[in-house]
Amino acid sequence: DTEVTQTPKHLVMGMTNKKSLKCEQHMGHRAMYWYKQKAKKPPELMFVYSYEKLSINESVPSRFSPECPNSSLLNLHLHALQPEDSALYLCASSQEQDSKQFFGPGTRLTVL
Amino acid sequence: GIQVEQSPPDLILQEGANSTLRCNFSDSVNNLQWFHQNPWGQLINLFYIPSGTKQNGRLSATTVATERYSLLYISSSQTTDSGVYFCAVELWGTGRRALTFGSGTRLQVQP
Repeated sequence: DTEVTQTPKHLVMGMTNKKSLKCEQHMGHRAMYWYKQKAKKPPELMFVYSYEKLSINESVPSRFSPECPNSSLLNLHLHALQPEDSALYLCASSQEQDSKQFFGPGTRLTVL
Repeated sequence: GIQVEQSPPDLILQEGANSTLRCNFSDSVNNLQWFHQNPWGQLINLFYIPSGTKQNGRLSATTVATERYSLLYISSSQTTDSGVYFCAVELWGTGRRALTFGSGTRLQVQP
């Protein structure tokens, strides 16, 4: 298995909702990442997990809460989001934190 | 701060043409990767190339770390090459083991 999967593909939520994004890989990679991408902009790093420990938090607002339950799974819990949080959320993984990164297809999030 | 600049920002080619995309960066690199993002948003890793030259089919890349630039060559372009090409770097000495993406080159290949 050489892919990163993300669910759901699309998500529409209100500002009072709580939802979660899920990312999974079975390549034995020990680093996993969340990126946020707005339209016509490059991906921006949000969080990095290395060996299931949070390695980097790019000063992301607390309404985004990452979780790494095991080496194959990465979640992003969302609550009290704002309309400006609408974006494509991308998950990636790599063998180690500075190795070649592989991206999932992303979740397109719309906050109403 | 970290500077990653890509050029040109936009490029339109006829099918079959060749092109060169450039990435300049402001410091020595630990890690440099080229990605292609297709119109549906999927990012594909093309090359992991902190230095040297690599080839993969019609694509090749060269990083000259001492001169702080990398080039991506696309030969005999096809309509499926359309999309955005990103260079992403991890700069030496920042202590930050993470990629910073350039602003991208948007390529359109016309039939």
